[in-house]
Amino acid sequence: DTEVTQTPKHLVMGMTNKKSLKCEQHMGHRAMYWYKQKAKKPPELMFVYSYEKLSINESVPSRFSPECPNSSLLNLHLHALQPEDSALYLCASSQDGVRAAYGYTFGSGTRLTVV
Amino acid sequence: AQSVTQLGSHVSVSEGALVLLRCNYSSSVPPYLFWYVQYPNQGLQLLLKYTSAATLVKGINGFEAEFKKSETSFHLTKPSAHMSDAAEYFCAVSPLNTNAGKSTFGDGTTLTVKP
Repeated sequence: DTEVTQTPKHLVMGMTNKKSLKCEQHMGHRAMYWYKQKAKKPPELMFVYSYEKLSINESVPSRFSPECPNSSLLNLHLHALQPEDSALYLCASSQDGVRAAYGYTFGSGTRLTVV
Repeated sequence: AQSVTQLGSHVSVSEGALVLLRCNYSSSVPPYLFWYVQYPNQGLQLLLKYTSAATLVKGINGFEAEFKKSETSFHLTKPSAHMSDAAEYFCAVSPLNTNAGKSTFGDGTTLTVKP
C-alpha cells in the first residue's frame, strides 16, 4: 500500500458545526502532516506529527485541533470555522521525519467549504 | 534559512515542444530538492528528487531535472510536452540537517500545453 487516504473528499459545514477530517497511511511512515492549500497557491504547513507526537504547530488557530491516535491515523477536528478557512486540506506522510528528506506522499485532499 | 524561487508563474508550450520549468534555491548548504505535480482537484505527486547522489535525476512521466550547485538551480525539463502534462508544478527543498526544520515549497508554476 503506497497511498495516503483522506476522507471525506468534499465537506460543506456551517460556522457553528463540528466536523473531522481523517487521514490514513499504511506505509510505516514516521511523520504525518496537515497542509492547507488555497487556489493557485502552494501548500501551507499547519501541523506535523513525528512518531505520533506533535512536533510543529504553525500558529494555527485553535478552531483547528489535530489528533494522531496511532502511527497510521491522523485527524483534524474542526469547530467554529470561518468562511476564509475554505480550502483544500491535504494530508501527507514522510518516511523519515519532519524534514521529509525522501519527499512527501500526499493524499488527494478534502475540499472544505465553510458557509 | 532555506528558500526556493520558481521563475515564471505561468509557462505555455505547444504539444511536442520542450518543457522547461525553473527553480532556484537559497540555502547555506545544498539541500534535498524535489519537484511535485498537482492536477486539478488532486493532491501533490512526487515527480523526482535530488538527494546528493547523481546530479541528473530522472523522474516519472518522462521528466528530469539537473542539480547545478554553481547556479543554485534545479530546473525541470521534458523533451516533448504532452497535453496530459498540463498541471501545477511545485519545487520544494528540505534541509540536509535533521534538526534544521521543515520543507519549503516554491510558489508554483502553471504549465499550459497548447494543441
